[in-house]
Order: sequence, then C-alpha cells, then structure tokens
Amino acid sequence: DAGITQSPRHKVTETGTPVTLRCHQTENHRYMYWYRQDPGHGLRLIHYSYGVKDTDKGEVSDGYSVSRSKTEDFLLTLESATSSQTSVYFCAISGTGGRVTGELFFGEGSRLTVL
Amino acid sequence: RKEVEQDPGPFNVPEGATVAFNCTYSNSASQSFFWYRQDCRKEPKLLMSVYSSGNEDGRFTAQLNRASQYISLLIRDSKLSDSATYLCVVNGFYNTDKLIFGTGTRLQVFP
Repeated sequence: DAGITQSPRHKVTETGTPVTLRCHQTENHRYMYWYRQDPGHGLRLIHYSYGVKDTDKGEVSDGYSVSRSKTEDFLLTLESATSSQTSVYFCAISGTGGRVTGELFFGEGSRLTVL
Repeated sequence: RKEVEQDPGPFNVPEGATVAFNCTYSNSASQSFFWYRQDCRKEPKLLMSVYSSGNEDGRFTAQLNRASQYISLLIRDSKLSDSATYLCVVNGFYNTDKLIFGTGTRLQVFP
C-alpha cells in the first residue's frame, strides 16, 4: 500500500472554529490532492498541489485553504468551520508521482463533524 | 447535468449472478476512464482502467462507447466479496491533473 496517512481520522468541532487536516506521504510524490465525499455528490476535488508551495483550486475550494511547505505534507485548513463542511475528507497522491494518469492512492479518510 | 452520472442502485444480486453498471459522461473531450471500488467506510481504490477496445480483468469487463459517451462495468459470477460501491471516474475536462468521480453504484451480493 502507498504510504499515505491522514490525521486526525475523526474530529468533532463547533461552527466558527479553525480546523487543520494533515496528509503525510512517504512516497516522495509531487502531486497531492484533497477531496471531500458527501452522499449524493461523490468525491469532489477541493485543492491540489503539484509541488512544494505550488497549489491550485478544485471545484469546491470556497472556505478551504491549503499549504505545502514540504513534499511529504499537504495541509487542508478550514479557517472558520461551518456545518456544510461536515464531510469525509480524503487525501490522495498520484500513482505515477507526477500528473495523474488514472490511479490515485487515497488515505483512509478524515471524518469531520461540525456542530 | 452532472459531469459523470451513475445509477446509485443498490443492485442486490445473488452469488453467481452477472451484473452490469453503466455510467455516462458529459464532455466528449474526455480521454481517460476508470472504475474504482470503495468498500463501506473505506477509501476508494482503482479497480481497472477502461480502454477503447474494451478490456477484461478476470471476472470484470469494462467497455467504452465514445459515440454515446457511455462506460460500463460487467461483473460475472458475483462473489460476496464484490459487495461495494463502484465509482466511475473520468479525467478532468480542461486539465489532466484532475479526475472527476461519479457518485457511485452500490452492489450488494447475497448468499
């Protein structure tokens, strides 16, 4: 299995509080992704990174920011969490290490509940 | 219209049955197509790529119809362990750095 871990795996927080999710990979892959998964919507891309300090927005980036100061770590931050951000968040790395050709390796997911 | 559409199911089938899932995509410029499998409360994992000529991997057969913008997955001789959600995935329309996921079709195989 690809060396990709997410933390925390579960978190309950209150509306208005900041939250940071961490994705750590041991594969030295350049491309990393953050998705959220909700019933009826499937997996939707939030942000992705194509290198240290190189990031871009996905389709549902509002309310989220990311940072990548090291190849191995990709952080997702909710500056002020809202109930609509209750979701399961998945981090992924491209199977090739470079541009995704089809295979993404996912972390086990972080289940976030915003009350 | 969603970019990738799937019948959510669930498909409830007995062991040994053959079952087929369909998926349609909206952008005719899409180049790459895949099926992922996701077990309950787990992360998605690549099941197989879908090639223009159709391809097979054991009991699984994937087909692509570019003219109709339609992808299918056929599972023969269903096993209990095939119970999962199957996600249809298409490469991003303007940027091949992104994959677009369908909402998934749930399969339940019963004894």
